[in-house]
Amino acid sequence: GAGVSQSPSNKVTEKGKDVELRCDPISGHTALYWYRQSLGQGLEFLIYFQGNSAPDKSGLPSDRFSAERTGGSVSTLTIQRTQQEDSAVYLCASSLRQTSYEQYFGPGTRLTVT
Amino acid sequence: DQQVKQNSPSLSVQEGRISILNCDYTNSMFDYFLWYKKYPAEGPTFLISISSIKDKNEDGRFTVFLNKSAKHLSLHIVPSQPGDSAVYFCAASAYSGGSNYKLTFGKGTLLTVNP
Repeated sequence: GAGVSQSPSNKVTEKGKDVELRCDPISGHTALYWYRQSLGQGLEFLIYFQGNSAPDKSGLPSDRFSAERTGGSVSTLTIQRTQQEDSAVYLCASSLRQTSYEQYFGPGTRLTVT
Repeated sequence: DQQVKQNSPSLSVQEGRISILNCDYTNSMFDYFLWYKKYPAEGPTFLISISSIKDKNEDGRFTVFLNKSAKHLSLHIVPSQPGDSAVYFCAASAYSGGSNYKLTFGKGTLLTVNP
């Protein structure tokens, strides 16, 4: 079946511009996660959605970052007034349910802020 | 403060030999550990996991060992194959009152298996 998809695969933007990154989770997966991987670093948790519950935003690095999940499916991660330190690969993952530790990752969006 | 550490950024082994990837953690609340494999331009894929109530879990050529007292786990791949060449991430999770299962990842180890 179809896996997690993300778009765009690559995004180059100028410092100060806003960007939106999209994630389509696996159909039926109720839990959705956003991570980012900066150069030479491990994956850093950003935000978690589970069903209709309030999202866990504890990993968002600043108030320039926000995310939505519409209809319990597609999610968008928005970064406002991008900075060069935002350059990273942004990864989305989903899992079947809250109690599933195994997360299925998309290919990521490589964001470059110039 | 890195809670999950993979101190070897890279490892090179010969095909057919054993690959041992190591991971250390500092948070004693972690109760579930996972290994993910990542090829270039792809997202990580789940490989194997272990609960803190166990000390070993085996799946084919892959075995994960957990030493809770040392806060250390390792992934053994036997025999290693060239297709195993990838970045391996160690990850850990602490059950947080039912709210989520967010994973804390190490920086990864690049494994190269030479033919």
